[in-house]
Amino acid sequence: AQTVTQSQPEMSVQEAETVTLSCTYDTSESDYYLFWYKQPPSRQMILVIRQEAYKQQNATENRFSVNFQKAAKSFSLKISDSQLGDAAMYFCAYRSSGGSNYKLTFGKGTLLTVNP
Amino acid sequence: EAGVAQSPRYKIIEKRQSVAFWCNPISGHATLYWYQQILGQGPKLLIQFQNNGVVDDSQLPKDRFSAERLKGVDSTLKIQPAKLEDSAVYLCASSPAVDYGYTFGSGTRLTVV
Repeated sequence: AQTVTQSQPEMSVQEAETVTLSCTYDTSESDYYLFWYKQPPSRQMILVIRQEAYKQQNATENRFSVNFQKAAKSFSLKISDSQLGDAAMYFCAYRSSGGSNYKLTFGKGTLLTVNP
Repeated sequence: EAGVAQSPRYKIIEKRQSVAFWCNPISGHATLYWYQQILGQGPKLLIQFQNNGVVDDSQLPKDRFSAERLKGVDSTLKIQPAKLEDSAVYLCASSPAVDYGYTFGSGTRLTVV
């Protein structure tokens, strides 16, 4: 079974600074997807960024980018120019690529605080 | 497009009572999921439907939890009888059958006292 580990329960960053959230995972599969989700107090999980394991190029979405190290099974999220609206719980998630089971396996999350 | 609708938003019940949650997915999304998110943890899949058939319910406590998706659209998740440890946020999500993109609803926060 796949597992996802987020070793930082809480992180804080100053507004306009850069912060990196860590995620490691364990799998025996060679092809899969990785995701970062944001969960504000409204509780709705919002997709921040996703990475296909077969792609070597790291995904980027505006101020959000990932550092995907497949051999090390590491998938960190970098938030540049942090904004107050970035404050939320961030979850790393894994999904197999094959079959019809699209289950997401989540880590325990990292609570990000943005200080003005 | 309209998002995933869930109701109620909050529910407080006593242990041993029953409760039901409702989810209306995005129109045309064949796949529907129910996740349980206990405080301080990431969401855990309870059940996945493909249209009105069950794909995965391996982590659904079947002695007390049940779910159905009639006509492959709306879904209901029921707990009977509830236990204190069922206190959690119940998230519904949907996705097109062949895409890997989920859309989540805002969830129902259940408190069992």
